[in-house]
Amino acid sequence: AQTVTQSQPEMSVQEAETVTLSCTYDTSESDYYLFWYKQPPSRQMILVIRQEAYKQQNATENRFSVNFQKAAKSFSLKISDSQLGDAAMYFCAYGEGNTPLVFGKGTRLSVIA
Amino acid sequence: GAGVSQSPSNKVTEKGKDVELRCDPISGHTALYWYRQSLGQGLEFLIYFQGNSAPDKSGLPSDRFSAERTGGSVSTLTIQRTQQEDSAVYLCASSPREGVQETQYFGPGTRLLVL
Repeated sequence: AQTVTQSQPEMSVQEAETVTLSCTYDTSESDYYLFWYKQPPSRQMILVIRQEAYKQQNATENRFSVNFQKAAKSFSLKISDSQLGDAAMYFCAYGEGNTPLVFGKGTRLSVIA
Repeated sequence: GAGVSQSPSNKVTEKGKDVELRCDPISGHTALYWYRQSLGQGLEFLIYFQGNSAPDKSGLPSDRFSAERTGGSVSTLTIQRTQQEDSAVYLCASSPREGVQETQYFGPGTRLLVL
């Protein structure tokens, strides 16, 4: 079964600085999707960014970008110019075909003013 | 437009009682998912509905858990004879169509506490 590992339970970053959250996954498939979701205290999960495995170019959404290393099965999230509103739990997730997403255990990000 | 809504927002119940959790997906979305988020854990898949197909129940942890989706819209997750280990946040998500390429839109969840 596919697994997703987030090795950093907690991270902190100074406002305006850059932080990278790590994610590794295990799969034997070649065609799949990877996601980063943000969960603020309101509990509502929000999609931050997604990456299609067949695309070599790393996905970017404004201040959020990923470093996708397919051979290493690594999918890290970089947040640039961190803002107080970025403080949340961040979950990495893996998906393929029509199967449900597999989530990591999350990284709690604190942003220090 | 309206997003995914869930009710109740919080539920406290006594061990052994039955509970029903409701999910209203985004109108027109054909796929609906239930997940459970226990303290300090990621999201655990429970059940998945897609259109008129038989639901994927492979994630349900025991036969005390069941879910239905009426008219391809509203879904109810029922937990019978609740146990303390059922305490968690139950999240519902919907997507326009089936398939991992479709973005899942999540509701705010129901926090269940079993005393």
